[in-house]
Amino acid sequence: DAGITQSPRHKVTETGTPVTLRCHQTENHRYMYWYRQDPGHGLRLIHYSYGVKDTDKGEVSDGYSVSRSKTEDFLLTLESATSSQTSVYFCAIREEGPYGYTFGSGTRLTVV
Amino acid sequence: AQSVAQPEDQVNVAEGNPLTVKCTYSVSGNPYLFWYVQYPNRGLQFLLKYITGDNLVKGSYGFEAEFNKSQTSFHLKKPSALVSDSALYFCAVREKDGNNRLAFGKGNQVVVIP
Repeated sequence: DAGITQSPRHKVTETGTPVTLRCHQTENHRYMYWYRQDPGHGLRLIHYSYGVKDTDKGEVSDGYSVSRSKTEDFLLTLESATSSQTSVYFCAIREEGPYGYTFGSGTRLTVV
Repeated sequence: AQSVAQPEDQVNVAEGNPLTVKCTYSVSGNPYLFWYVQYPNRGLQFLLKYITGDNLVKGSYGFEAEFNKSQTSFHLKKPSALVSDSALYFCAVREKDGNNRLAFGKGNQVVVIP
């Protein structure tokens, strides 16, 4: 899917530990996004980036931080994981021109 | 800020019957509208989008959607549903001259009954 890869695909972690999820793209797109998906809530935006070192908060950013030191990588960090952060996390890129959005395959994170 | 409402949690339809999944949106300016489909344990797949022009948009797998500005709606339709259309459907909106954020509805589970 448009060269977008998320890692890891699955992770189980303990409450209070830091966790970093990685999104990697191969097509040099400027805009990248992190969403979380929860039943009854759809997808909610956590953070997004509009260029290297340029990021902004979404609607559910508390407890999360991001970094983008290279165009191709957008990292999501849970600073101290909590059970409420158990979710499926999706990365997306915004393609130029037709304004399409392409999503990665997702990371299923379980915090125990 | 932009938002999307998908009023029904689940849509049940018999195979071969018309399928409609409802979506209404709210934006400050002109919208870009999208439909995505998600199959179990998979990512989101793009179905169709409205950017400008003809209000009736045709997309993948025989789906179409109609943009209605006065009703702020973008309902997804398929004339004859297949069992394989059973999935989770998401409507999304972005402001044309806004902040590049894509806002999603909560999703509709579509169940096509053989």
